Formats: sequence, C-alpha cells, structure tokens
Amino acid sequence: QVQLQESGPGLVKPSQTLSLTCTVSGGSISSGSYYWSWIRQPAGKGLEWIGRIYTSGSTNYNPSLKSRVTISVDTSKNQFSLKLSSVTAADTAVYYCARTVVPAVWFDPWGQGTLVTVSS
Amino acid sequence: SYELTQPLSVSVALGQTARITCGGNNIGSKNVHWYQQKPGQAPVLVIYRDSNRPSGIPERFSGSNSGNTATLTISRAQAGDEADYYCQVWDSSSVVFGGGTKLTVL
Repeated sequence: QVQLQESGPGLVKPSQTLSLTCTVSGGSISSGSYYWSWIRQPAGKGLEWIGRIYTSGSTNYNPSLKSRVTISVDTSKNQFSLKLSSVTAADTAVYYCARTVVPAVWFDPWGQGTLVTVSS
Repeated sequence: SYELTQPLSVSVALGQTARITCGGNNIGSKNVHWYQQKPGQAPVLVIYRDSNRPSGIPERFSGSNSGNTATLTISRAQAGDEADYYCQVWDSSSVVFGGGTKLTVL
C-alpha cells in the first residue's frame, strides 16, 4: 500500500526558509485522483492544514499561511515538497505529509511526521 | 472562517460507549471525517464522509452527522482506544480541523 515519508532539516534558523520533502512509495504519485497535502502540529496542540497540490501543479493553501508557503511536485521522483519562508518560533511543529482524497477531502494515509524546530 | 468545536475531553468506562461531538454551523451539509491520534504517532483516519469506516477500522467505530453536530461513536470502548480524536471538513477551498478531544478510558 502507499506509504509517505517526510525528510528535511530538523533545525531552521528564524527568518530562513523551511524546506521539506515527502517521498511516496508503493504507488505512483500521479495515479488516481489524489491531491497531496502538508499538515503540521505544534507540540501539545491541534492539527493545522498547510496546503495541497495535484500532480498538474494546481495548489490550494491555508489562507493564514498563503503568503509564505510554496508546495511543488516532482512526479519523476514521486515526491512533493514544502517551502515555508520567513519562519519564526511559532512555526516549530511536527510536519506531516498526507495523501488527500477528493472531492470530499480527507487524508489517508499520513507520513510518520518530522519535527522541525525554529531556533537560532 | 468556518469553525469546528469539540469538547476538550471525554471519559468512558471500559466496555461502555463513548460519543465525541463536533459542532459547526450546518455541519450536516458537509462531509465530516474523523482521525485518531495516539501519543507520538501520526493521525489515522477512522471515519470518512460522516459514517464510512476505512478497511482495518473496527466496526465499534461509527459516525453520524446532522444539523449542527457530527458525532463519532466508539462502542465497547477498549484501553487501546485512548487517544486524541479530531474531526475535519472542507470548507471554502480550505481544510478545517476541530481542536481535538482527548478520550480517556477508565
């Protein structure tokens, strides 16, 4: 079955850009009518959707993060990526990637998550 | 923006039925999905489109959605059901999560 794995630096300095990649295995990122999403969770807090991408490159972003977020896809590598610019301590969280089923929009499966800490 | 309201915590006796609510304006008109998250783990989908169970999810998990409230029901609660539960909808081209409910099995 499809599995997702996040990767990227665990520590990012304030004002810099956070960059993460999600690698999809067990199936093609281009197969089926799926979007691919990023979701984050600060320690001890709830889930926050960051945005999603279709393999055509079409994206939707959380309005509260839209000005700082870019999600891209590389179908040749079966990967999609997240860039979050101008980070602050408030961006410290576990970042998850997840397959997104449309049109009702739910997430299944999820990656295991990766902790990103913003600190100097 | 659309908001989903969940109780912070729900307690249930072992073997009894737990009900976790998710409130939202006319939520009955939307598709509601539920996730279970155990400590240190990624969320797992337990109910999609109000009342559908993914393969591998026990029949003890069920869902309903009407009016301004969606409900996740866990029958014959087990110790292994202790977790945080989140509801989620799609609204105005964005995803909305509830704040999460901590289920304690006594």
